[in-house]
Amino acid sequence: DAKTTQPPSMDCAEGRAANLPCNHSTISGNEYVYWYRQIHSQGPQYIIHGLKNNETNEMASLIITEDRKSSTLILPHATLRDTAVYYCIVRPRFNTNAGKSTFGDGTTLTVKP
Amino acid sequence: SQTIHQWPATLVQPVGSPLSLECTVEGTSNPNLYWYRQAAGRGLQLLFYSVGIGQISSEVPQNLSASRPQDRQFILSSKKLLLSDSGFYLCAWSGPVVQPQHFGDGTRLSIL
Repeated sequence: DAKTTQPPSMDCAEGRAANLPCNHSTISGNEYVYWYRQIHSQGPQYIIHGLKNNETNEMASLIITEDRKSSTLILPHATLRDTAVYYCIVRPRFNTNAGKSTFGDGTTLTVKP
Repeated sequence: SQTIHQWPATLVQPVGSPLSLECTVEGTSNPNLYWYRQAAGRGLQLLFYSVGIGQISSEVPQNLSASRPQDRQFILSSKKLLLSDSGFYLCAWSGPVVQPQHFGDGTRLSIL
């Protein structure tokens, strides 16, 4: 799986948009970008994924650059409950290789009142 | 809907004792199953994954083993725990063909 690079930490004011960047310059054509978040002492929670088009669901939006070498997860109106570690990973959508699932250290997002 | 159960939530064990952590999935068939370990403040390290009953792949050599006796049951074991086995253990499942993965709430293991 392609390696990803994320800033170790970010702050965001409550009610404002949180924009979390991720670099994945070695992404392959069949690899999707997945985002998860982990609230303290819980298991990671799947948020969203995309291949090359922008995606939106009830939790967040995902913006992927045209060259697919980077992406941004957007939480449009951050709340205190969005404080968590956010992981960006890239891997094929199909389980052609069920292993090799690597979650790096992620970005610790702190939402402040 | 699919759910994943992992227990116990916390466990304190002496060095040299055995270990058995259990994970079960409901509401899906033939899932891929995963065991991860997470050190404090770090990302997740994949330990084992399974694509079917009795099929286990190990990602890193270690003091642990995994088994899948039933389609939706995944067990992490050790015969003799080491201090270095302390950590947060997470079980996850994904569909048999496609991602993403869905995680349990984890077991926090402390070795004394």
